[in-house]
Parts: sequence; C-alpha cells; structure tokens
Amino acid sequence: AAGVIQSPRHLIKEKRETATLKCYPIPRHDTVYWYQQGPGQDPQFLISFYEKMQSDKGSIPDRFSAQQFSDYHSELNMSSLELGDSALYFCASSLKVVGVEEQYFGPGTRLTVT
Amino acid sequence: AQTVTQSQPEMSVQEAETVTLSCTYDTSENNYYLFWYKQPPSRQMILVIRQEAYKQQNATENRFSVNFQKAAKSFSLKISDSQLGDTAMYFCAFIEGGSQGNLIFGKGTKLSVKP
Repeated sequence: AAGVIQSPRHLIKEKRETATLKCYPIPRHDTVYWYQQGPGQDPQFLISFYEKMQSDKGSIPDRFSAQQFSDYHSELNMSSLELGDSALYFCASSLKVVGVEEQYFGPGTRLTVT
Repeated sequence: AQTVTQSQPEMSVQEAETVTLSCTYDTSENNYYLFWYKQPPSRQMILVIRQEAYKQQNATENRFSVNFQKAAKSFSLKISDSQLGDTAMYFCAFIEGGSQGNLIFGKGTKLSVKP
C-alpha cells in the first residue's frame, strides 16, 4: 500500500538559510499534519491542512509557513534557520471519515542546521 | 488543555516475557481516541494500536493489547511474548474526537528487550 512520502530525507543547512520540506500524502487522504521532533523529544504539532485550507495551528514559529496544494501535497517553508530548528520533521496524513481518527506518518525529514 | 503523561522514561524486559507501559491523560472531552505509536531506531512512527473512548472493549492487535480505564483516564499497553524487534520508543497519544485535530503525545517510554 502507498505510504506518506517526504522529501528530502536529510537536509543540512546553515544558520539564516531557508529550507523547504515536501510531503506527499497517501492517495485520497485529504488532511495533512506537520510535526517537529527535537532530539530526545516527543513530536510537537506545527500545523495542519484540510482540503487545502489551514485547519489548525500549533507551536509553529512565525519564520515557518506551509501550504497544501491542489494535488494535496504540502510544503513546509522555513526561513532564517536557527540551530534550534535542527529536528526530525514528520508529515502525517489522514482521511476525514466520521469515527476514524488515524494518522499515517511519513519517514520524516531530518534537518540539521549548522 | 489535554495532556498525556508517561511516567516510565525507560523500561526493559527479557525476550518472551510480558511488559506493560503506562499512560494517563487528562481531558474534559467525552469523545476522543487514544493511540500507542512505536518509534524504533529508524525513527519511523508506527501505529501500534488504537482505542476509541466510546468503546468499552479493550483493543488488541496480536501481541499488543491495551487496558483502557476511562474513569481513571488510564491507557496502558501490554506487550506479550516480547521480541527483540519490539525495542523502541513508545509514545502514547491522544486526539480529540470529531475535530480531526492534531495528536498530543506523551514524552515516551524507551523499551529495551533483552535476549
């Protein structure tokens, strides 16, 4: 079965640079979530989209923005990168079905800021 | 605000034995979902088991089962016949029902299965 695809898998950037992370949800899934997992931490919710509209916002810095496109893929744009942005960034997708709340995670993008 | 608490940062178990990981949560909602996710060294987040709050029957998935105590807001995971491949970080997670909201995770329990 098709899974969530994230690219790139690894990314190394310098401070103050920008980065773009991409997420391709499972086909027919209409909701995308972004999570950030720092070293030794639990995943923290950043932002989510349903049917290409932002549906919820968590602890996402103002330096970050995201969107979901017409083909349902999503991109997380990160500017003015800081050392503390080094983390594993997960994308998860789900299908908005009554009674089912199951999110499928991609393999993550490991961002290292030097 | 909803919170999820995992009070065991680390646990270990001998291969083939049974281990129980604890999780408590706090919410004022009546409709919600609880999950256990496994994160092995590969860092992939893998759904282990899911429990709907409106269901009284505890969920089971092969060697994995939960003890869901709604009144006590407790959601523990039992792993039977532990295998070396079960070595991973285990996260308990909560989601409010009906809102398609985000997952709220506990801090995780690092489980080591010893041969």
